[in-house]
Amino acid sequence: GQQVMQIPQYQHVQEGEDFTTYCNSSTTLSNIQWYKQRPGGHPVFLIQLVKSGEVKKQKRLTFQFGEAKKNSSLHITATQTTDVGTYFCASNSGGYQKVTFGIGTKLQVIP
Amino acid sequence: DGGITQSPKYLFRKEGQNVTLSCEQNLNHDAMYWYRQDPGQGLRLIYYSQIVNDFQKGDIAEGYSVSREKKESFPLTVTSAQKNPTAFYLCATRPSATDTQYFGPGTRLTVL
Repeated sequence: GQQVMQIPQYQHVQEGEDFTTYCNSSTTLSNIQWYKQRPGGHPVFLIQLVKSGEVKKQKRLTFQFGEAKKNSSLHITATQTTDVGTYFCASNSGGYQKVTFGIGTKLQVIP
Repeated sequence: DGGITQSPKYLFRKEGQNVTLSCEQNLNHDAMYWYRQDPGQGLRLIYYSQIVNDFQKGDIAEGYSVSREKKESFPLTVTSAQKNPTAFYLCATRPSATDTQYFGPGTRLTVL
C-alpha cells in the first residue's frame, strides 16, 4: 500500500532557530495533511494541501506541496518552546477512505 | 475535537481479558477511525467505518474487533488474541472522504 516516509524522526533546535520536516512518497499523492501532537495529547489538524506546488502559511509555519505531488515540507521559522511536539504528515489512500500517516518528526526546542 | 469523547482516559487490564474502548461523537460525521500509537511511532490504522453497519480492516486489524450500530458510536474491542495490546488508542472522525480527520483525546491502555 501507499507509504509516506517522513524525516527526520527527531530534531532538537535552539529556540529561535528554524526547523523543517519532510514527507516523501514514491507515488503521487492526492493531498497532504499536516498534524501536530503535543506531548501527552492527540493529533490536531494544521492544514491540507491539494494542488501541485501549493504553498500555504500560518504565521511562522510554511507548508509546501511538491510540483509532482510526491513530497511535502513543513517549515517553522524562529522556533518557540510552544512549537514542541510531534509533527505528522498524512495522505489519503485506499480510494480516499484510508489515511496513511508518516512516522512523525518529534521536535524539541531548547530554551 | 470537543465533539469526540473517548473513555476512559486510562485503562488497565489483566492479560487474557477482552476490553472495549469507547468512542462517541456528536459531530454528525460519517466516517470513524481507530488508530494505535506506540511510543516513538506513528499512527497505525486498526479499523475504519464509512457508514453505519459497515466497517473495513485497516493495516493492523488482527486481535481487534469493532461495531458500528449507530452513527455516533464506534467501539473498539481489544481481544486476548492481540499479542501486544499496551498502547495509546486514538479515535478519529471525518465529515467525508476528502475532509481532514478530527481526533478524540485517546485512551491509554495498559495490559498487566
